[in-house]
Amino acid sequence: GAVVSQHPSWVICKSGTSVKIECRSLDFQATTMFWYRQFPKQSLMLMATSNEGSKATYEQGVEKDKFLINHASLTLSTLTVTSAHPEDSSFYICSARVYLGRGTTNTQYFGPGTRLTVL
Amino acid sequence: GENVEQHPSTLSVQEGDSAVIKCTYSDSASNYFPWYKQELGKGPQLIIDIRSNVGEKKDQRIAVTLNKTAKHFSLHITETQPEDSAVYFCAARSAGGTSYGKLTFGQGTILTVHP
Repeated sequence: GAVVSQHPSWVICKSGTSVKIECRSLDFQATTMFWYRQFPKQSLMLMATSNEGSKATYEQGVEKDKFLINHASLTLSTLTVTSAHPEDSSFYICSARVYLGRGTTNTQYFGPGTRLTVL
Repeated sequence: GENVEQHPSTLSVQEGDSAVIKCTYSDSASNYFPWYKQELGKGPQLIIDIRSNVGEKKDQRIAVTLNKTAKHFSLHITETQPEDSAVYFCAARSAGGTSYGKLTFGQGTILTVHP
């Protein structure tokens, strides 16, 4: 299957600092990328959807000024957690989807995740 | 929006036995149902998927069945092996409304295969 990478795989930062997480589709062009958040022993919660060259669409309850998303190219999306606080500590997972047209599967592939710990 | 319920939350089987995980969904407009396997500290990995115009799909030891009328779908793993131990998530993707194109995940099932 297609490969999606994330960097860094884990990061520890001080409260009040900003952290940027990169998501890349390595062997395909992703027209749409998604960012999820996962707390321990819980399911994946969609934070936002981004299409290349467009502003991200955020889910209800997700602060767009805190979680900045940039989808600069068909292979790269970044999530910046601004002014991070301990409650932002979580597992952040990106996902990429290639659009092959209506009636096709348009499979969604996930990255390995980034563990963020805010002290 | 879409709501996906997954059962059981934990499943323990002996190596070689079969495992079945079930999911129900609420949005009749959903038309794509993937299953993901997530190992500890890793991202979800797609293991099998099915579209709404198909009732069953099989890939070696893994199969998925879909009942559109009842709005439920199931994952079947035969001849389980210890390396099948992981958390499994079902998901449904809506083809309409405010959830168009988005995956809604079930709560997850922790599968443990005992050698």
